[in-house]
Amino acid sequence: AQSVSQHNHHVILSEAASLELGCNYSYGGTVNLFWYVQYPGQHLQLLLKYFSGDPLVKGIKGFEAEFIKSKFSFNLRKPSVQWSDTAEYFCAVISKTGTASKLTFGTGTRLQVTL
Amino acid sequence: KAGVTQTPRYLIKTRGQQVTLSCSPISGHRSVSWYQQTPGQGLQFLFEYFSETQRNKGNFPGRFSGRQFSNSRSEMNVSTLELGDSALYLCASSSTGYNSPLHFGNGTRLTVT
Repeated sequence: AQSVSQHNHHVILSEAASLELGCNYSYGGTVNLFWYVQYPGQHLQLLLKYFSGDPLVKGIKGFEAEFIKSKFSFNLRKPSVQWSDTAEYFCAVISKTGTASKLTFGTGTRLQVTL
Repeated sequence: KAGVTQTPRYLIKTRGQQVTLSCSPISGHRSVSWYQQTPGQGLQFLFEYFSETQRNKGNFPGRFSGRQFSNSRSEMNVSTLELGDSALYLCASSSTGYNSPLHFGNGTRLTVT
């Protein structure tokens, strides 16, 4: 069965530090990849997505992610985090088999940015 | 444009009862999907409806069911509640399905005692 792994459950960084959150998935076929973010007290919202083309995708608020097919990874990065980036981050993968598609979320990474 | 609205926000039920949750999508969105969020399991996909038809289904028992109405509003029903059903249930709408960005509601917090 398809799975999505986010190995970092809780990350604490100081402001201006660089961020990389890992996401690995198990499906070997065609995938669409997403990162969603949930700020405290707010609903989940899309940060960025990859469907095809340039494997380096840029999202909102300076975030980017790189799809490395050979590593089944879609890691999220930001060069310099801000306190306002404190949130929970979810990686999600859509795998396609024929006409069916299956959406799987990772268990999330809680990011805490300190001043 | 109004966002995704889920009602009620909180529910407390006892084991064995059934519950119905409601979701009103963003106007014009035809896809509604449901998720169960728990601290240990994260977000798990329940099912997706598009134009009143269930299009995709996750790995949940038959006690979890749903439907979508002609105005795209959706309901989720859980019968014979178990303690393990306590969770935050999220609904998301999108214009065409998973591949278009999902817009989430604030969820319904269900507690089963």
